[in-house]
Amino acid sequence: QKEVEQNSGPLSVPEGAIASLNCTYSDRGSQSFFWYRQYSGKSPELIMFIYSNGDKEDGRFTAQLNKASQYVSLLIRDSQPSDSATYLCASEHSSASKIIFGSGTRLSIRP
Amino acid sequence: DTEVTQTPKHLVMGMTNKKSLKCEQHMGHRAMYWYKQKAKKPPELMFVYSYEKLSINESVPSRFSPECPNSSLLNLHLHALQPEDSALYLCASSLSRSTRGAFTDTQYFGPGTRLTVL
Repeated sequence: QKEVEQNSGPLSVPEGAIASLNCTYSDRGSQSFFWYRQYSGKSPELIMFIYSNGDKEDGRFTAQLNKASQYVSLLIRDSQPSDSATYLCASEHSSASKIIFGSGTRLSIRP
Repeated sequence: DTEVTQTPKHLVMGMTNKKSLKCEQHMGHRAMYWYKQKAKKPPELMFVYSYEKLSINESVPSRFSPECPNSSLLNLHLHALQPEDSALYLCASSLSRSTRGAFTDTQYFGPGTRLTVL
């Protein structure tokens, strides 16, 4: 079974701090990984994707990928109350036309 | 433009009704997806269409019937649903899966249809 695992949280972070969200995956053949943000009652919104080992930065967001450890993370710098949401990690299925979602981590930024 | 549209936004139906959900994208994407999402759960894949052909059916009950009339449109026909089918139904699209890669696999979601079955 191809799986993606995330800590469900809630993860509480003070405003202005760095929020660190983590994800592990079991499919060694996966090449692409995705982070989505989902506000309550809304649809998932793509934050970024990553496919190379190392870091990828986009504004306040940094995705990190370590294929040897099968580990993906998302760092949010200067956290804002508007970052409070559920963050879904997903990996591409290596042999089927789909992506596998983790259960999501609920992030709460406290003022 | 990374917009996927879905109609209606909300739908309330009885167990004997027949209704349809509609999804549209004009990004030239050739893969389209239907997901079902319950509260506090991740999206659960239902169907995948690739180049207008059904490529994945995740053992979805036959009361859900997908249709892809053309490369921009995806429908989900609903018939004889049960109250437990009440959920947020999400449509997504991606460039294609003819070659693997993060760019082609990236899925963009529509706003969803909130379905309530009475």
